[in-house]
Amino acid sequence: GENVEQHPSTLSVQEGDSAVIKCTYSDSASNYFPWYKQELGKGPQLIIDIRSNVGEKKDQRIAVTLNKTAKHFSLHITETQPEDSAVYFCAAAKGGSSGDKLTFGTGTRLAVRP
Amino acid sequence: DTAVSQTPKYLVTQMGNDKSIKCEQNLGHDTMYWYKQDSKKFLKIMFSYNNKELIINETVPNRFSPKSPDKAHLNLHINSLELGDSAVYFCASSRQGREWGYTFGSGTRLTVV
Repeated sequence: GENVEQHPSTLSVQEGDSAVIKCTYSDSASNYFPWYKQELGKGPQLIIDIRSNVGEKKDQRIAVTLNKTAKHFSLHITETQPEDSAVYFCAAAKGGSSGDKLTFGTGTRLAVRP
Repeated sequence: DTAVSQTPKYLVTQMGNDKSIKCEQNLGHDTMYWYKQDSKKFLKIMFSYNNKELIINETVPNRFSPKSPDKAHLNLHINSLELGDSAVYFCASSRQGREWGYTFGSGTRLTVV
């Protein structure tokens, strides 16, 4: 089955700096890669996703890049703010059929220092 | 509000008891899931139902039994609770196909004492 590795496990940045979280996946058939943000006491919330036919996607201060050959994808947060502090999860899935499931990375705890 | 809602939010119970967690979604999604998040925050799928049919059943003890009365509801019943069952359980839903994002509920924190 799919295996998703995520690094780093913890990340501390100064407000205004950029943060980068990296993930690798094992199943070359995976074609859907979402990122989730989980705040304390809440469920994970989808913040951005990318599909395998796209190399990069951007939404305001967040961007995701995908390298299918190397089987890795990254989340980039620019101009970080204290409210970006949370646990971030990457995930991978084949997508598109009823037997699919998201396999999550182990999470990155991001702390943005004011 | 359109959402995935779970009840209860907190559940404290003694070892050996039987308990249920309920989940409902009003997003019109056709697939629902149960995920378990352990103390290290690792999220692992337990079950998935598509249109009331069980499609994913990971290696979960058979003390855990999901039930989907309709595609908007997925409940989780746990028999003979053990200390190791303590975790946060998340329900999620999605629509298979082109719009393929999960929406998660806010979780049920289960503590077995």
